[in-house]
Amino acid sequence: DAGVTQSPTHLIKTRGQQVTLRCSPKSGHDTVSWYQQALGQGPQFIFQYYEEEERQRGNFPDRFSGHQFPNYSSELNVNALLLGDSALYLCASSLGPTGYTFGSGTRLTVV
Amino acid sequence: AQSVAQPEDQVNVAEGNPLTVKCTYSVSGNPYLFWYVQYPNRGLQFLLKYITGDNLVKGSYGFEAEFNKSQTSFHLKKPSALVSDSALYFCAVRETGANNLFFGTGTRLTVIP
Repeated sequence: DAGVTQSPTHLIKTRGQQVTLRCSPKSGHDTVSWYQQALGQGPQFIFQYYEEEERQRGNFPDRFSGHQFPNYSSELNVNALLLGDSALYLCASSLGPTGYTFGSGTRLTVV
Repeated sequence: AQSVAQPEDQVNVAEGNPLTVKCTYSVSGNPYLFWYVQYPNRGLQFLLKYITGDNLVKGSYGFEAEFNKSQTSFHLKKPSALVSDSALYFCAVRETGANNLFFGTGTRLTVIP
């Protein structure tokens, strides 16, 4: 039974570009959350998707957007990249409010 | 507003000794509390959670944590540390009615052989 799968593992983008990160949830999970983990810090909540809609959003600008597909997979899009967007982006899936499973993350470097 | 404090950035312990990683929290209502571990260049691995019931929670790899409502604490413990326990540990809380986890800043545990 596969856990949470994220792609790509690493990528490098130039300031001002746009990026799309992908997440496949654990089998049986219907909710996907995205977190940003800057170097040396704890993960910070970006947003959560359920039934293909954004259910809750953290304190992130509109440059961060997402989508959830009918098969529960999800994408995180970041527009107009800034150097400060460099971080590990973590996807977590869940079924209900207490069983969060995290992927290994996508390391984004903005140069 | 919810918050989590991990007062120690770094904890060093000798192999075979007991270890404690501290966590205190502040939420409205009853908290859901979690501990995760992160190894270098990896995502978060679930260790244990407290939702309700017995204040002593047992989790993966021999870890346990004690929920103390009066002290608003949820310290992570292990009776005998292993070198392989060396990693970054995160405490997280989910507030009643919220959908997200709020994480502490992490504690780096180093187990010395």
